[in-house]
Amino acid sequence: AQSVAQPEDQVNVAEGNPLTVKCTYSVSGNPYLFWYVQYPNRGLQFLLKYITGDNLVKGSYGFEAEFNKSQTSFHLKKPSALVSDSALYFCAVRGGFKAAGNKLTFGGGTRVLVKP
Amino acid sequence: GAGVSQTPSNKVTEKGKYVELRCDPISGHTALYWYRQSLGQGPEFLIYFQGTGAADDSGLPNDRFFAVRPEGSVSTLKIQRTERGDSAVYLCASSPAGTDLQYFGPGTRLTVT
Repeated sequence: AQSVAQPEDQVNVAEGNPLTVKCTYSVSGNPYLFWYVQYPNRGLQFLLKYITGDNLVKGSYGFEAEFNKSQTSFHLKKPSALVSDSALYFCAVRGGFKAAGNKLTFGGGTRVLVKP
Repeated sequence: GAGVSQTPSNKVTEKGKYVELRCDPISGHTALYWYRQSLGQGPEFLIYFQGTGAADDSGLPNDRFFAVRPEGSVSTLKIQRTERGDSAVYLCASSPAGTDLQYFGPGTRLTVT
């Protein structure tokens, strides 16, 4: 079975400061990892994904994430947060084995609040 | 271009009633997914279609839940004898062939009273 943990329900950060949202995962085989963002009354929007290759993945809106196999982590980062980054962030995983199908397993989400 | 659309955006129904939730995927996307998001939680997988067939329905919680995609495009999630615990936001996503990137719709908020 695959699972995702987002240990922080909420992260508060001042505008201009670096932002980190934590994610750890458990999956059979090589992981496919994703970050999505959810704004109020809007659907989940894709930010970035890791399939293979460089451990540092760059995505939309200046976000990046670092894959760490030994720690089974995929933390989301942004060097300088904006007030408009305030939203709900979800980490998700799917297994690399074909038998696992394409279903995503999501973490519980982390609310990010960026204060001006 | 048009994204994934879901109707209705909100549905209030009484316990025991039958409901249908509709998903219009992005044109040409072959894969379609349904997820359920309860308050304060992440989305949970329900069912996945590849074309017209359900490739994985392991997330459907019980036999009150059923989904169809008869022509490989629009999908309908059907819930019989609704219960208050079915109250959630039901999300639909679609993917083009050859990728695993899922594009999500805005969801249908179902409230069972």
